[in-house]
Amino acid sequence: QSVLTQAPSASGTPGQRVTISCSGSSSNIASNPVSWYQHLPGTAPKLLIYDYNSRPSGVPDRFSGSKSATSASLAISGLQSGDEGDYYCAAWDDNLNGFVFGTGTKVTVL
Amino acid sequence: QVQLQESGPGLVKPSQTLSLTCTVSGGSISSGPYHWSWIRQPVGKGLEWIGRIYPSGSTNYNPSLESRVTISVDTSKNQFSLKLSSVTAADTAVYYCARTDRRLPGLDVWGQGTTVTVSS
Repeated sequence: QSVLTQAPSASGTPGQRVTISCSGSSSNIASNPVSWYQHLPGTAPKLLIYDYNSRPSGVPDRFSGSKSATSASLAISGLQSGDEGDYYCAAWDDNLNGFVFGTGTKVTVL
Repeated sequence: QVQLQESGPGLVKPSQTLSLTCTVSGGSISSGPYHWSWIRQPVGKGLEWIGRIYPSGSTNYNPSLESRVTISVDTSKNQFSLKLSSVTAADTAVYYCARTDRRLPGLDVWGQGTTVTVSS
């Protein structure tokens, strides 16, 4: 059972905006950088967002991140069929002294 | 461009030790603001961080696995390794190695993953 909780699923039609939330606590999201990963079927996970809202080179600006207290969110705008997959938040947890992933959210494009 | 590649046995017997190696190409494992991690994904489950190592050899482990895990680095071969002892079927998973660039705190480069099955 992860200390970072995500809704199991989210969906939208092409072109829509989808938001994924990640709920944590004072020992992880509130005090350490949050990163987000996209895990498409048959591929390795890919870093989408680091330090709450920064994108690595090559990640389109359709992906954006935000943080509020002990929660973080990933927004996907202009949803595309190629965005179907699993999305994970992650952060260092000071109490566990370890890196933790969220429970994951499966995004479906209707 | 840095690339990571996992290697090791795809089948391990219960109670034995799982051993995997991650080879880093396109850059040095011992230079730069990087540290190196192992992550796994059991079938049908989410990602689980196993642990990380700095080029100095300093490590951090997932508390739930710490008693069974050892991560080491061989800078001469540009590799880092994972050993997980006393494995059970619950350790069957896809295992990934990954890099963190401390300038952008996140796992920014991943290996393709390797499947390890624990079965007799």
